[in-house]
Amino acid sequence: KQEVTQIPAALSVPEGENLVLNCSFTDSAIYNLQWFRQDPGKGLTSLLLIQSSQREQTSGRLNASLDKSSGRSTLYIAASQPGDSATYLCAVRGGLDSNSGYALNFGKGTSLLVTP
Amino acid sequence: GAGVSQSPRYKVAKRGQDVALRCDPISGHVSLFWYQQALGQGPEFLTYFQNEAQLDKSGLPSDRFFAERPEGSVSTLKIQRTQQEDSAVYLCASSLRDASRNEQFFGPGTRLTVL
Repeated sequence: KQEVTQIPAALSVPEGENLVLNCSFTDSAIYNLQWFRQDPGKGLTSLLLIQSSQREQTSGRLNASLDKSSGRSTLYIAASQPGDSATYLCAVRGGLDSNSGYALNFGKGTSLLVTP
Repeated sequence: GAGVSQSPRYKVAKRGQDVALRCDPISGHVSLFWYQQALGQGPEFLTYFQNEAQLDKSGLPSDRFFAERPEGSVSTLKIQRTQQEDSAVYLCASSLRDASRNEQFFGPGTRLTVL
């Protein structure tokens, strides 16, 4: 079963710092990887989608990388702001599960707090 | 609407009651997914539809859980004889076409509390 791990579980940084969130997965036969943001009591907002053939995607202050062979992805947030405070979830689609072509397999998330 | 919508947003049920959760996907989206998110955990896959066909229900935790999408648009997740362990946020997601490559867009979720 595809296992997705996110480190750290929680992170607190002062405003303005650059930071990196880590995601690892056990089965490298993935179709793609997606990073989400979840605010308390809310649904998931898609941030970046990286297809298996790609190595990185960028959107504004966010940059996500993918190293499929080693089973790792990082989400880099530049010049963090208090509004970035949320839980960040990594999810992969693919692996050797029966639902590998359909479902996203999620990590438990990294809870980020950016202090003013 | 512009995004995935779900109703109700909050549901409190007494143990043993039946509940029905509704999902309206983005118009024209072929694929629809249901996930269950327990407190402090990432979402877990429940079931997947392509149009009206339920192609995968391997994540449904028991036969008390049933999902349908009869006309290929709106979907309903039904839980019979609810138990306390069913308390969670139920998320619906949709994607445009081929589920293996396309981005999934999520609704706000329904928070179910079983007393």
